[in-house]
Amino acid sequence: QVQLVESGGGVVQPGRSLRLSCVASGFTFSSFGMHWVRQAPGKGLEWAAGIERDGTNENYADSVKGRFTISRDNSKNTLYLQMNSLRPEDTAVYYCARDHVSVGYCFQHWGQGTLVTVSS
Amino acid sequence: DIVMTQSPDSLSVSLGERATISCKSSQSVLYRSNNKNYLAWYQQRPGQPPKLLIYWASTRESGVPDRFSGSGSGTDFTLTISSLQAEDVAVYYCQQYINTLSITFGQGTRLEIK
Repeated sequence: QVQLVESGGGVVQPGRSLRLSCVASGFTFSSFGMHWVRQAPGKGLEWAAGIERDGTNENYADSVKGRFTISRDNSKNTLYLQMNSLRPEDTAVYYCARDHVSVGYCFQHWGQGTLVTVSS
Repeated sequence: DIVMTQSPDSLSVSLGERATISCKSSQSVLYRSNNKNYLAWYQQRPGQPPKLLIYWASTRESGVPDRFSGSGSGTDFTLTISSLQAEDVAVYYCQQYINTLSITFGQGTRLEIK
């Protein structure tokens, strides 16, 4: 079955960097667009970034544009999120999500999430 | 950006009764060339990641009970649970995916048992 396992979260000081990873299994990773969706504590869902299946096109929310970079290694079935210049408002659970089998940018499968806390 | 606004913010419904959640978009999410509404609904139970319930505004995802249904077109959409079960206690989100440069969700509707 489809599995998405995030890692790399933790506590980091404002202005520092962190890289999240999401290892995928149970499907052909290179055939699907992938995304990062975040959720601040007690708040709603916010799409952060997405990348097409071959890595040629990336999109970002305005709130992270210029600071975060989404990438993927299809040979390793792994999605990444490089987060630079972190701010306290970036504190959230970060979910890795996979496109629906027939609908792009509709999220059919989700990981359990990894918590990022930005605090001094 | 397309702003998604849900109502109400919270809802209490008795077991077995109908629950209705509204979602309005600031711009139409209907793509006229294929006549599809680019609107999805998700359920997030406490401590869990979201789960896709409905896409194309009214297509139920595989395995989702048929008490869940979606309707609407253009800018106005509704998620209906026909007969509330205890396991339906969750926060529900709508999401537009017509603007892939900026995917947006509604603020969420918390559903509780009365």
